[in-house]
Amino acid sequence: QKEVEQNSGPLSVPEGAIASLNCTYSDRGSQSFFWYRQYSGKSPELIMFIYSNGDKEDGRFTAQLNKASQYVSLLIRDSQPSDSATYLCAVSPSGGYQKVTFGTGTKLQVIP
Amino acid sequence: DGGITQSPKYLFRKEGQNVTLSCEQNLNHDAMYWYRQDPGQGLRLIYYSQIVNDFQKGDIAEGYSVSREKKESFPLTVTSAQKNPTAFYLCASRGTSKETQYFGPGTRLLVL
Repeated sequence: QKEVEQNSGPLSVPEGAIASLNCTYSDRGSQSFFWYRQYSGKSPELIMFIYSNGDKEDGRFTAQLNKASQYVSLLIRDSQPSDSATYLCAVSPSGGYQKVTFGTGTKLQVIP
Repeated sequence: DGGITQSPKYLFRKEGQNVTLSCEQNLNHDAMYWYRQDPGQGLRLIYYSQIVNDFQKGDIAEGYSVSREKKESFPLTVTSAQKNPTAFYLCASRGTSKETQYFGPGTRLLVL
């Protein structure tokens, strides 16, 4: 079992719809969870982080964490063609400098 | 202008040659990381350093070496022992007050 699992996609949604991206992780000691967006040929950029169970909203983005189910998700409301990218889920076991484990990413395509 | 810089943007390696990728940060971050990304793949950790003059192997350290003589700098050497070095190399750093990890723009290494 991979440490962090994501569906590779592509996930296709029409413009204006809600895109739902999912991630599961295996280490129950994980404490910090991140979502990065990566455009083709570019480096990842952080878009959301979440530490506590529940929802965290930032603009059009909502991160959801359920530690009991070892599940973290990212919702993108009012999806735009500029949201088309690969979304990487990343998990860190605790605070400090311990290594971060990345999923392989989900490719999102927003259709105009 | 704070951030992480990587150079060069593109690097060509001949067979049997060692090459060094530069990573510099002015964010005053203690922790620095090197990742490798292959097409359609996630990020794989090569080495990371939590403090000056100390570093740890990641998941795929064979064929690579690093040094951490200064807080700001974490260069990666791809040695001739790395038989399949063609990839996108990403440097990242992580601060103390937040647990988020920030990435440089990356170096694309190609073999001639």
